Amino acid sequence: EAGVTQFPSHSVIEKGQTVTLRCDPISGHDNLYWYRRVMGKEIKFLLHFVKESKQDESGMPNNRFLAERTGGTYSTLKVQPAELEDSGVYFCASSPNPRYGYTFGSGTRLTVV
Amino acid sequence: AQSVSQHNHHVILSEAASLELGCNYSYGGTVNLFWYVQYPGQHLQLLLKYFSGDPLVKGIKGFEAEFIKSKFSFNLRKPSVQWSDTAEYFCAVNVLKGYSTLTFGKGTMLLVSP
Repeated sequence: EAGVTQFPSHSVIEKGQTVTLRCDPISGHDNLYWYRRVMGKEIKFLLHFVKESKQDESGMPNNRFLAERTGGTYSTLKVQPAELEDSGVYFCASSPNPRYGYTFGSGTRLTVV
Repeated sequence: AQSVSQHNHHVILSEAASLELGCNYSYGGTVNLFWYVQYPGQHLQLLLKYFSGDPLVKGIKGFEAEFIKSKFSFNLRKPSVQWSDTAEYFCAVNVLKGYSTLTFGKGTMLLVSP
């Protein structure tokens, strides 16, 4: 079974630019999550999809972040325009049943300079 | 809202030493508890989990954790660490209410010297 795939693995962009991160969950997993870890801090929840619907987006920092999951398959997380404080590692996870844990991707390390 | 506290941010041990990493959570209701591990350059992996039943749970690679409900704790243990256990360890809690999401602690970086 293929795992959760994220790309790119690293991205370095300038402040003000746009970046789009992609996550391919495990096939058949209706639940897809985005988390972020800013350096030195804990891993924080951003957003939860159930199929193509946003179940909970309470963790999204501001309206510069836009997540989509068209067709309930892969998801994208766009940051526009990027700011310095957006730097961190963005994790995606998927699960068939969230109460029993998630499978995480390897993350995208975003650096905004 | 629930929170998770990991007591140690950095731990340095020699091989064969015993390990205990502390984790406390704050939430009055029913929870599921997890320990995840991230080895250098790799993704987060599930080490072990507690849902119900025996409060002493065993995970992969010789790790175990004990859920003490009265102390809101879920400490991770290993009797004898190896150099390959060098990694960052995260405690997480999942509240059993609605569409719950994982809340993580800040992580503990473990360095095992050979």
